[in-house]
Amino acid sequence: VLTQSPGILSLSPGERATLSCRASVSFSSNYFAWYQQKPGQAPRLLIYGVSNRAGGVPDRFSGSGSGTDFTLTISRLEPEDFAVYYCHQYGIAPFTFGGGAKVDIK
Amino acid sequence: QVQMVQSGAEVKKPGASVKVSCKASGYIFPDYGVSWLRQAPGEGLQWMGWISAYNGHTNFHPKFRDRVTLTTDTSATTAYMELRSLRSDDTAVYYCARDHDYGSGGYTDFAFWGQGTLVTVSS
Repeated sequence: VLTQSPGILSLSPGERATLSCRASVSFSSNYFAWYQQKPGQAPRLLIYGVSNRAGGVPDRFSGSGSGTDFTLTISRLEPEDFAVYYCHQYGIAPFTFGGGAKVDIK
Repeated sequence: QVQMVQSGAEVKKPGASVKVSCKASGYIFPDYGVSWLRQAPGEGLQWMGWISAYNGHTNFHPKFRDRVTLTTDTSATTAYMELRSLRSDDTAVYYCARDHDYGSGGYTDFAFWGQGTLVTVSS
């Protein structure tokens, strides 16, 4: 089970966003990813392998963590970053996602 | 460029089956597996299963193992997901997604997604 916190993050453009994802079991692999989803769209891969940015993802997005605690950081929020974010583990089947965290405009 | 294009929305009655297709292009189809996921209205993402487009090997979430069939047609570069014995709580957007890396065996993140197919189950 992946638990994301906070469920909703209200911030202003230019602020820093820190999203957390806690796993119920410790991961020894680095099979951990983050996605962004906007209404009516498929998820977009942001981070894979804990800390690798996917192609075309701006460097304001970064991922970190190990074991049971993982973090997605958006250094300076741009207007297009207000969306829902999901964490995802793909090291232990069945693969699971967090419940999502919404970043909305304060 | 890699594209995954899914079939259109479906409306089904409880107890029926639905088959969703996912047409792949822009890469060598047998080299990458395809996963299927779903998202109920207002809910999060749920992984359903994975199929190798090379040899048809599958891996399923236990929740769906008895009701889902995954297949591929290499000549058509298309993957299919059939869900049987539909219930109202199967109403969701269903996504296909390609393995990120070659040879992942299903242990993969998802860099390439279909646009989603809304399946509505209602009497």
